[in-house]
Amino acid sequence: NAGVTQTPKFQVLKTGQSMTLQCAQDMNHEYMSWYRQDPGMGLRLIHYSVGAGITDQGEVPNGYNVSRSTTEDFPLRLLSAAPSQTSVYFCASSYFGRGSGANVLTFGAGSRLTVL
Amino acid sequence: AQSVAQPEDQVNVAEGNPLTVKCTYSVSGNPYLFWYVQYPNRGLQFLLKYITGDNLVKGSYGFEAEFNKSQTSFHLKKPSALVSDSALYFCAVRDGGKAAGNKLTFGGGTRVLVKP
Repeated sequence: NAGVTQTPKFQVLKTGQSMTLQCAQDMNHEYMSWYRQDPGMGLRLIHYSVGAGITDQGEVPNGYNVSRSTTEDFPLRLLSAAPSQTSVYFCASSYFGRGSGANVLTFGAGSRLTVL
Repeated sequence: AQSVAQPEDQVNVAEGNPLTVKCTYSVSGNPYLFWYVQYPNRGLQFLLKYITGDNLVKGSYGFEAEFNKSQTSFHLKKPSALVSDSALYFCAVRDGGKAAGNKLTFGGGTRVLVKP
């Protein structure tokens, strides 16, 4: 049981380049989300999904795109990278319902992105 | 809109002394409250949550938190801190309504430094 797997762990881009951050979970969680972490600002929600085929915007969606074609995968696309997108990105998933584990986000290890 | 405030950027405590990390929140409905911990270069790990029931919640690694509805607070506590508790701690909230999904809003984080 791998949990939430993010790739790549590190990436350096030039301004204007595009790339995809991959996120996969093997826990059959309905809910998946992407956050970015910046110093002093905590984690801010970029996009989220409550199931395959359903996505919605979070707090800071501009410049990012997502899709959810399967329950397992939730890739985050940067369309045209900007220096303001330099950050650490976390993917997280959870399931709905009752019980001690319900509604608890399981996080990936993070992807550190630098845009020059 | 929901929000979380962690008023202290850093908390310093001597090993063996009590540890408190403060959190206040704002949410329109009934709150779901969470604490997560982040060790260097790692993803976030779940510590505990409050959904309903007893105001005092016990979690992992000897941590506990007290939900106070009148003060809209959810402070994290540990009776006797360890050097290994040194990390970055995040409080998070979501609206308990189903429409909120599992969209968590995080505070800015509090760095805890436990000195031997």
